[in-house]
Amino acid sequence: QVQLQESGPGLVKPSQTLSLTCTVSGGSVNSGGYYWTWIRQHPGKGLEWIGYIYYSGSTYYNPSLKSRVIISVDTSKNQFSLNLTSVTAADTAVYYCARDNGGFDYWGQGTLVTVSS
Amino acid sequence: EIVLTQSPGTLSLSPGERATLSCRASQSVSGNYLAWYQQKSGQAPRLLIYGASSRATGIPDRFSGSGSGTDFTLTISRLEPEDFAVYYCQQSGRSPRTFGQGTKVEIK
Repeated sequence: QVQLQESGPGLVKPSQTLSLTCTVSGGSVNSGGYYWTWIRQHPGKGLEWIGYIYYSGSTYYNPSLKSRVIISVDTSKNQFSLNLTSVTAADTAVYYCARDNGGFDYWGQGTLVTVSS
Repeated sequence: EIVLTQSPGTLSLSPGERATLSCRASQSVSGNYLAWYQQKSGQAPRLLIYGASSRATGIPDRFSGSGSGTDFTLTISRLEPEDFAVYYCQQSGRSPRTFGQGTKVEIK
C-alpha cells in the first residue's frame, strides 16, 4: 500500500521560502508512469494544483505560481519536495502531496502552512 | 488551461435519493482523463472515479461516472449518510492539471 507523508514547518514568515517534503513508502518515486504532485487548499476553498515532477526529473508548474515554485526529487530517500519562494499571507493553505496516475490515487494527509510574522 | 465548471454549487438531498453532479470543461478533455473526488471536512480528497467512468479501488458501486469530451457526470444512485461531502472533478488530460470548484452535497 502506497503511503505519502508531508513534513515541514507549519509557520513561515512573509517573504521567506516555504519548504515541504513528501516521503513515499510502499512505492518508488523512481517508478515510471507516475507524476509526483503538490496540491494546496486555501482555508475553506477549493483545490489548487501546484505542479508535478516525473521520475525522469521533468517538471511542470501551475503558470500562476511558476516563477516561485521548484519541485525536486531525491530518489535515494524516496522523497520529493516543494519550495515556494517569496511567500505572502495568500500562500497560507493546507498543502498535499499526491501521486498522479491519471487521477490522484494516493494522497498525504495534508499539512497546514501559515504565513505570518 | 482547461477550466472545469461544476454544477450545482450545492445539492440538498435526503438519504436514499439520487445525486447527479455535473462537470463541464472549457475544451475537450484528452483521453477522457477526468476524475472525481470526495472530500470530507478535515480530510484529504479521496479518488472515486478516474478515466471518466472507472471506479477506484474500494469505491462502492452506487458511485458511477459518465461522459466524454467536455461534459461529465457523477451519479450517486442512493445517498448514504457518509456520502454527504464536497465533490470535485479534475482533469489530467493536459497540463496544467485543473480542478472544478466543487459541489457540496448536503442533507436536506
